Amino acid sequence: GQNIDQPTEMTATEGAIVQINCTYQTSGFNGLFWYQQHAGEAPTFLSYNVLDGLEEKGRFSSFLSRSKGYSYLLLKELQMKDSASYLCAGVDSNYQLIWGAGTKLIIKP
Amino acid sequence: IAGITQAPTSQILAAGRRMTLRCTQDMRHNAMYWYRQDLGLGLRLIHYSNTAGTTGKGEVPDGYSVSRANTDDFPLTLASAVPSQTSVYFCASSPAAGEQTGELFFGEGSRLTVL
Repeated sequence: GQNIDQPTEMTATEGAIVQINCTYQTSGFNGLFWYQQHAGEAPTFLSYNVLDGLEEKGRFSSFLSRSKGYSYLLLKELQMKDSASYLCAGVDSNYQLIWGAGTKLIIKP
Repeated sequence: IAGITQAPTSQILAAGRRMTLRCTQDMRHNAMYWYRQDLGLGLRLIHYSNTAGTTGKGEVPDGYSVSRANTDDFPLTLASAVPSQTSVYFCASSPAAGEQTGELFFGEGSRLTVL
Protein backbone atom coordinates (compact mmCIF):
# COMPACT_ATOMS: atom_id res chain seq x y z
CA GLY A 1 0.00 0.00 0.00
CA GLN A 2 0.91 3.62 -0.24
CA ASN A 3 1.84 5.49 2.90
CA ILE A 4 3.31 8.73 4.13
CA ASP A 5 4.70 8.88 7.67
CA GLN A 6 5.55 12.02 9.56
CA PRO A 7 5.61 12.87 13.28
CA THR A 8 2.33 14.03 14.75
CA GLU A 9 3.71 16.94 16.74
CA MET A 10 6.99 18.73 17.37
CA THR A 11 7.99 21.58 19.66
CA ALA A 12 10.81 24.04 19.05
CA THR A 13 12.06 27.34 20.40
CA GLU A 14 11.86 30.70 18.66
CA GLY A 15 15.11 31.43 16.82
CA ALA A 16 16.15 27.79 16.67
CA ILE A 17 16.24 25.26 13.83
CA VAL A 18 13.83 22.34 13.42
CA GLN A 19 13.79 19.41 11.01
CA ILE A 20 10.51 17.70 10.14
CA ASN A 21 10.97 14.25 8.65
CA CYS A 22 8.78 12.41 6.18
CA THR A 23 9.11 8.87 4.90
CA TYR A 24 7.09 7.69 1.97
CA GLN A 25 6.03 4.51 0.23
CA THR A 26 4.32 5.11 -3.07
CA SER A 27 3.72 3.03 -6.17
CA GLY A 28 6.14 4.83 -8.41
CA PHE A 29 7.42 8.26 -7.52
CA ASN A 30 7.01 11.60 -9.23
CA GLY A 31 8.09 13.99 -6.55
CA LEU A 32 7.29 15.17 -3.07
CA PHE A 33 5.53 18.28 -1.84
CA TRP A 34 5.59 20.18 1.43
CA TYR A 35 2.69 22.42 2.38
CA GLN A 36 2.13 24.68 5.38
CA GLN A 37 -1.27 24.92 7.01
CA HIS A 38 -2.08 27.38 9.78
CA ALA A 39 -4.94 26.39 12.07
CA GLY A 40 -8.29 27.02 10.43
CA GLU A 41 -6.73 27.98 7.12
CA ALA A 42 -6.00 26.41 3.75
CA PRO A 43 -2.74 24.61 2.97
CA THR A 44 -0.19 26.71 1.09
CA PHE A 45 2.66 25.44 -1.06
CA LEU A 46 6.18 25.42 0.36
CA SER A 47 8.31 23.18 -1.85
CA TYR A 48 8.48 20.45 -4.44
CA ASN A 49 11.39 18.02 -4.82
CA VAL A 50 11.81 15.42 -7.52
CA LEU A 51 15.61 15.09 -7.58
CA ASP A 52 17.86 14.05 -4.71
CA GLY A 53 19.38 16.82 -2.68
CA LEU A 54 18.64 19.95 -0.78
CA GLU A 55 16.66 22.89 -2.12
CA GLU A 56 16.84 26.10 -0.17
CA LYS A 57 14.23 28.81 -0.20
CA GLY A 58 14.90 31.51 2.34
CA ARG A 59 14.52 30.17 5.88
CA PHE A 60 13.00 26.94 4.59
CA SER A 61 14.85 24.09 2.91
CA SER A 62 13.62 20.74 1.68
CA PHE A 63 15.67 17.59 1.20
CA LEU A 64 14.94 14.43 -0.74
CA SER A 65 16.57 11.00 -0.85
CA ARG A 66 14.74 8.81 -3.35
CA SER A 67 16.80 5.73 -2.50
CA LYS A 68 15.75 5.98 1.15
CA GLY A 69 12.17 7.12 0.52
CA TYR A 70 12.86 10.04 2.80
CA SER A 71 12.44 13.77 2.87
CA TYR A 72 12.77 16.50 5.44
CA LEU A 73 11.76 20.10 5.79
CA LEU A 74 14.26 22.31 7.60
CA LEU A 75 13.10 25.54 9.14
CA LYS A 76 15.75 27.99 10.34
CA GLU A 77 15.52 31.07 12.56
CA LEU A 78 12.12 29.99 13.77
CA GLN A 79 9.49 32.66 14.25
CA MET A 80 6.24 32.44 16.17
CA LYS A 81 4.34 32.67 12.88
CA ASP A 82 5.91 29.34 11.86
CA SER A 83 3.57 27.61 14.30
CA ALA A 84 1.47 25.55 11.91
CA SER A 85 0.98 22.07 10.56
CA TYR A 86 3.36 20.90 7.86
CA LEU A 87 1.97 18.44 5.33
CA CYS A 88 4.10 16.04 3.32
CA ALA A 89 2.64 14.61 0.10
CA GLY A 90 4.15 12.13 -2.33
CA VAL A 91 3.21 11.95 -6.01
CA ASP A 92 2.68 8.39 -7.23
CA SER A 93 3.03 6.86 -10.68
CA ASN A 94 -0.47 8.09 -11.63
CA TYR A 95 0.41 11.60 -10.52
CA GLN A 96 -1.97 11.29 -7.59
CA LEU A 97 -1.00 12.99 -4.34
CA ILE A 98 -0.67 10.78 -1.26
CA TRP A 99 -0.88 12.96 1.84
CA GLY A 100 0.58 12.48 5.28
CA ALA A 101 -1.51 13.41 8.32
CA GLY A 102 0.68 16.45 8.96
CA THR A 103 3.12 17.51 11.67
CA LYS A 104 1.90 20.13 14.08
CA LEU A 105 4.81 22.43 14.94
CA ILE A 106 4.57 24.39 18.17
CA ILE A 107 7.00 27.30 18.60
CA LYS A 108 7.72 28.46 22.13
CA PRO A 109 9.24 31.83 23.02
CA ILE B 1 -7.34 38.76 -6.33
CA ALA B 2 -9.90 36.04 -5.61
CA GLY B 3 -8.13 32.84 -6.61
CA ILE B 4 -10.37 30.05 -5.45
CA THR B 5 -13.55 30.68 -3.47
CA GLN B 6 -15.64 28.23 -1.48
CA ALA B 7 -19.12 28.65 -0.02
CA PRO B 8 -20.44 28.26 2.56
CA THR B 9 -17.51 28.59 4.97
CA SER B 10 -19.45 26.75 7.63
CA GLN B 11 -22.71 24.82 7.75
CA ILE B 12 -24.64 22.68 10.21
CA LEU B 13 -26.87 20.17 8.48
CA ALA B 14 -29.42 17.61 9.57
CA ALA B 15 -28.75 14.03 8.52
CA GLY B 16 -30.59 13.07 5.37
CA ARG B 17 -30.55 16.57 3.91
CA ARG B 18 -29.01 17.41 0.55
CA MET B 19 -26.13 19.86 0.49
CA THR B 20 -24.03 21.44 -2.23
CA LEU B 21 -20.66 22.99 -1.50
CA ARG B 22 -19.70 25.55 -4.10
CA CYS B 23 -16.24 26.14 -5.51
CA THR B 24 -15.23 28.78 -8.04
CA GLN B 25 -11.80 29.68 -9.37
CA ASP B 26 -10.77 32.58 -11.55
CA MET B 27 -7.29 31.37 -12.48
CA ARG B 28 -8.44 29.41 -15.56
CA HIS B 29 -6.93 26.26 -14.11
CA ASN B 30 -7.81 23.05 -15.91
CA ALA B 31 -7.72 20.70 -12.94
CA MET B 32 -9.88 20.93 -9.84
CA TYR B 33 -10.17 18.73 -6.77
CA TRP B 34 -12.28 18.17 -3.70
CA TYR B 35 -10.60 16.93 -0.51
CA ARG B 36 -11.83 16.25 2.98
CA GLN B 37 -9.62 16.76 5.99
CA ASP B 38 -10.26 14.94 9.26
CA LEU B 39 -8.28 15.11 12.47
CA GLY B 40 -5.39 12.66 12.46
CA LEU B 41 -5.78 11.82 8.80
CA GLY B 42 -4.17 13.24 5.71
CA LEU B 43 -6.14 15.05 3.06
CA ARG B 44 -8.28 12.53 1.21
CA LEU B 45 -9.35 13.05 -2.37
CA ILE B 46 -13.09 12.77 -2.97
CA HIS B 47 -13.45 13.64 -6.65
CA TYR B 48 -11.41 15.43 -9.25
CA SER B 49 -11.75 16.95 -12.69
CA ASN B 50 -8.88 17.18 -15.13
CA THR B 51 -10.73 19.52 -17.45
CA ALA B 52 -14.19 20.95 -18.00
CA GLY B 53 -16.70 18.24 -18.86
CA THR B 54 -14.79 15.39 -17.18
CA THR B 55 -14.76 14.11 -13.61
CA GLY B 56 -13.18 11.20 -11.79
CA LYS B 57 -13.43 9.39 -8.48
CA GLY B 58 -10.81 9.80 -5.81
CA GLU B 59 -10.06 7.79 -2.70
CA VAL B 60 -13.36 8.38 -0.85
CA PRO B 61 -16.11 9.15 -3.43
CA ASP B 62 -19.08 7.34 -1.85
CA GLY B 63 -21.93 9.63 -0.88
CA TYR B 64 -20.60 12.52 -2.97
CA SER B 65 -21.09 13.71 -6.54
CA VAL B 66 -19.53 16.47 -8.61
CA SER B 67 -20.04 18.20 -11.92
CA ARG B 68 -17.79 20.35 -14.09
CA ALA B 69 -19.96 22.22 -16.54
CA ASN B 70 -17.34 24.92 -17.13
CA THR B 71 -13.73 25.71 -16.25
CA ASP B 72 -14.48 27.89 -13.25
CA ASP B 73 -17.01 25.95 -11.18
CA PHE B 74 -16.75 22.59 -9.45
CA PRO B 75 -19.61 22.00 -6.98
CA LEU B 76 -19.65 19.06 -4.58
CA THR B 77 -23.04 17.56 -3.64
CA LEU B 78 -23.94 15.36 -0.71
CA ALA B 79 -27.20 13.74 -1.80
CA SER B 80 -28.22 12.58 1.67
CA ALA B 81 -25.82 13.71 4.38
CA VAL B 82 -24.68 11.34 7.13
CA PRO B 83 -22.79 12.16 10.34
CA SER B 84 -19.59 10.54 9.01
CA GLN B 85 -19.46 13.29 6.42
CA THR B 86 -18.77 15.82 9.16
CA SER B 87 -15.44 17.24 8.05
CA VAL B 88 -13.60 20.20 6.61
CA TYR B 89 -13.83 20.23 2.84
CA PHE B 90 -11.21 21.87 0.67
CA CYS B 91 -11.51 22.66 -2.99
CA ALA B 92 -8.23 22.99 -4.90
CA SER B 93 -7.06 23.70 -8.41
CA SER B 94 -3.91 23.36 -10.48
CA PRO B 95 -2.97 24.62 -13.93
CA ALA B 96 -2.74 21.16 -15.47
CA ALA B 97 -3.54 17.58 -14.59
CA GLY B 98 -1.92 14.31 -15.58
CA GLU B 99 1.76 15.01 -15.46
CA GLN B 100 1.23 17.98 -13.26
CA THR B 101 3.89 18.58 -10.71
CA GLY B 102 2.85 22.08 -9.96
CA GLU B 103 1.42 23.33 -6.76
CA LEU B 104 -2.19 23.07 -5.75
CA PHE B 105 -4.09 26.22 -4.87
CA PHE B 106 -6.61 25.68 -2.09
CA GLY B 107 -9.80 27.42 -1.14
CA GLU B 108 -10.32 28.48 2.46
CA GLY B 109 -12.36 25.41 3.29
CA SER B 110 -15.95 24.60 4.18
CA ARG B 111 -16.59 23.24 7.66
CA LEU B 112 -19.58 20.90 7.54
CA THR B 113 -21.27 19.39 10.58
CA VAL B 114 -23.93 16.72 10.04
CA LEU B 115 -26.13 16.03 13.04
